[in-house]
Amino acid sequence: DSGVTQTPKHLITATGQRVTLRCSPRSGDLSVYWYQQSLDQGLQFLIQYYNGEERAKGNILERFSAQQFPDLHSELNLSSLELGDSALYFCASSRLGVSGYTFGSGTRLTVV
Amino acid sequence: DAKTTQPPSMDCAEGRAANLPCNHSTISGNEYVYWYRQIHSQGPQYIIHGLKNNETNEMASLIITEDRKSSTLILPHATLRDTAVYYCIVSVIQGAQKLVFGQGTRLTINP
Repeated sequence: DSGVTQTPKHLITATGQRVTLRCSPRSGDLSVYWYQQSLDQGLQFLIQYYNGEERAKGNILERFSAQQFPDLHSELNLSSLELGDSALYFCASSRLGVSGYTFGSGTRLTVV
Repeated sequence: DAKTTQPPSMDCAEGRAANLPCNHSTISGNEYVYWYRQIHSQGPQYIIHGLKNNETNEMASLIITEDRKSSTLILPHATLRDTAVYYCIVSVIQGAQKLVFGQGTRLTINP
């Protein structure tokens, strides 16, 4: 157990639907990062939050959005889902100056 | 874009040392070298990081050249469980910015 909790582990949904992925960071970590990994592809950075505020944005589609709540957990919302959105979605957390981002075990999203 | 160059794949015999190279010729003075690995479809796992001195922990050793333009991750006694994709990343001190992953090196440990 890395200390970063992602739910659900698996999700199967139809095209056009909307889903929410949840991430609870490691205790004490203020930063949360979301990454997407499509089949046989690298890890693509989507978005970062620090203590509730958006800090950096990567290749995140307009159909996707995220937020970090006061208790520091984060949610990634994916809407109008397409087949190409099928991927592993990882959340990571970190704190300033401490070595190592900690990744969760991911949510495997399958859009059918 | 990733600032590092790694070979796409490598093989190593079980029990031998695995030496994974990484080029980062444009590294800035305040950037660290980080190594992560991803076993199958699990979340990436932090291995080690360094600035300019060689580093060692329970998992691996990191050798950084004097000019800091390249580094080598050493797994001293590779086991089958070390089969994974290894990512070399340069970044300022963690927590301040996102990690940019390249394609990494797919290391296969053979029995």
